[in-house]
Amino acid sequence: KQEVTQIPAALSVPEGENLVLNCSFTDSAIYNLQWFRQDPGKGLTSLLLIQSSQREQTSGRLNASLDKSSGRSTLYIAASQPGDSATYLCAVFSGGYNKLIFGAGTRLAVHP
Amino acid sequence: NAGVTQTPKFQVLKTGQSMTLQCAQDMNHNSMYWYRQDPGMGLRLIYYSASEGTTDKGEVPNGYNVSRLNKREFSLRLESAAPSQTSVYFCASRTAGTGIETQYFGPGTRLLVL
Repeated sequence: KQEVTQIPAALSVPEGENLVLNCSFTDSAIYNLQWFRQDPGKGLTSLLLIQSSQREQTSGRLNASLDKSSGRSTLYIAASQPGDSATYLCAVFSGGYNKLIFGAGTRLAVHP
Repeated sequence: NAGVTQTPKFQVLKTGQSMTLQCAQDMNHNSMYWYRQDPGMGLRLIYYSASEGTTDKGEVPNGYNVSRLNKREFSLRLESAAPSQTSVYFCASRTAGTGIETQYFGPGTRLLVL
């Protein structure tokens, strides 16, 4: 059974700091891995999608890496800003073609 | 282009009452999903529909039924609500493919069962 774990559960950093969020999964047979952002009381917004054949994806200040063999992904946020404060969710497409399995998320607070 | 829409945004039910959560997408996507999100547990898949006319159980289907009314609409029904079904419910959709396409999520329905 696929399980996705995110560490840390919560993180508080000063503005400007570079930070890393971690995601691990138990079954390396995945089609892709996605990172989502969720603002309080809102739905999910896709940030980055890494296909199983890729090693990383970048969008602006965000960089996500994937090491399928070790079952790990990291989301790197450069020069963090208060507007980055949100919950970040990692999810893998696994266990059947149409199933997205989520981690519990990392709640990030960036303070001025 | 509204994306994925959900109604209602918020609902309070008494134990034993029934209700239907509505979801619609205007992106011509084949696949649609219902998730629930509970504190500290991420999102869990309740039911999904790979294409119009098909539905399948996810991780936590007990106590729920679904209907894929047409390609646009996918509803979730609680026949007899229980306090354990207090949660935030999200609908999502994606186009069918080889796994490179992202899922798009609705804004959620917050359900409180007393």
